[in-house]
Amino acid sequence: QVQLVESGGGVVQPGRSLRLSCAASGFSFSSSAMHWVRQAPGKGLEWVAVISYDGSHKSSADSVRGRFTISRDNSLNTLYLQMNNLGPEDTAVYSCARDGRYCTNGACYFDIWGQGTMVTVSS
Amino acid sequence: EIVLTQSPATLSLSPGERATLSCRASQSVSDYLAWYQQKPGQAPRLLIYGASNRATGIPARFSGSGSGTDFTLTISSLEPEDYAVYYCQQRTNGYSFGQGTKLEIK
Repeated sequence: QVQLVESGGGVVQPGRSLRLSCAASGFSFSSSAMHWVRQAPGKGLEWVAVISYDGSHKSSADSVRGRFTISRDNSLNTLYLQMNNLGPEDTAVYSCARDGRYCTNGACYFDIWGQGTMVTVSS
Repeated sequence: EIVLTQSPATLSLSPGERATLSCRASQSVSDYLAWYQQKPGQAPRLLIYGASNRATGIPARFSGSGSGTDFTLTISSLEPEDYAVYYCQQRTNGYSFGQGTKLEIK
């Protein structure tokens, strides 16, 4: 069964850190670029970060650059998001997504999504 | 940064009616655009990729068109399960989503 399951969310004070995990199963994780996307309560989708299939290339949104780090362990089929210096604006459901098999002109789209893990930044 | 603007914010239509959702980019994204459907409490689902290609299992009543800066998602005849929020997404220059269009029952 193709699946992405996030974990690691919770309530954290401003300025603290948190690490999220995304466990993949049912597909070739080590062949897939992966993303983190977040959704603040009642708001739309916001792309956070991407990592290439082998971890050699990474990119992140301006809103998190310098604070969040995406990484992966292909031996464990797991994606990570290290979040430092968290602020109230980071409160959201964080989901991982696969850069998948629907591609045109070399660009692929998000075809598998996890259900997400909630991060609340509050004192 | 490429900004995607979706309109309308909310669309109220009855089952059987035709829905037309718009997505406008602040600069050309060629055809590097996708549409996703999200229902409450669920993960987004890919509907259309490359502006006009349906993902596997997506009913033929969903169609996408456009290129450059103006894109449209059309649902030819609304079914009860189509009421949801729809997002467009570009991946020409980084990645970004539109703010969403909520399709509600009239």
